[in-house]
Amino acid sequence: DAMVIQNPRYQVTQFGKPVTLSCSQTLNHNVMYWYQQKSSQAPKLLFHYYDKDFNNEADTPDNFQSRRPNTSFCFLDIRSPGLGDAAMYLCATSGWTSGRQETQYFGPGTRLLVL
Amino acid sequence: GNSVTQMEGPVTLSEEAFLTINCTYTATGYPSLFWYVQYPGEGLQLLLKATKADDKGSNKGFEATYRKETTSFHLEKGSVQVSDSAVYFCALDMGRRALTFGSGTRLQVQP
Repeated sequence: DAMVIQNPRYQVTQFGKPVTLSCSQTLNHNVMYWYQQKSSQAPKLLFHYYDKDFNNEADTPDNFQSRRPNTSFCFLDIRSPGLGDAAMYLCATSGWTSGRQETQYFGPGTRLLVL
Repeated sequence: GNSVTQMEGPVTLSEEAFLTINCTYTATGYPSLFWYVQYPGEGLQLLLKATKADDKGSNKGFEATYRKETTSFHLEKGSVQVSDSAVYFCALDMGRRALTFGSGTRLQVQP
């Protein structure tokens, strides 16, 4: 029944060592999002894909990249994680109908720890 | 720009107490409004939504009414349970891209 799946749920990496987080969806939604959520804060949008079109937020660091090889999968790559990148990373999806975004559905998140 | 303001937490209640979490918004246009809930260590779950003025969203005993005249979307529940302990986020969507979230309100329900 899971609709938005994120793997792994917990990820430990070393300072500066590249890491990839994955997200998959069974909803066939055309929009996929990556959010970063630090402790006790609201989620912050990093970027999103509308189909294959990548949309980066202006203040997203270059250290963060994303790939979407097909409708179902989206990856978040952190090229050189710093201690400040430790956070919960949330994937979300939504449909798009009549020029208007539909409700966003979130995955369970991946908690990233940087040592 | 668009913004969402929530009451600061934590909100601490005894089981079966009445809950209100205030949410007001600023938007240029007519947003859709949402409440999401986040349990410890989990992602966000959609709790309820309303897409136009005077709509009432409801789910699991929670309710919120879209009030255009007061630009509010307050979350209410008549009788909270310990299992309702979580962080609640109010959010708006202008139908274009990202959700605009409030800062979240932590609810703690004591037995």
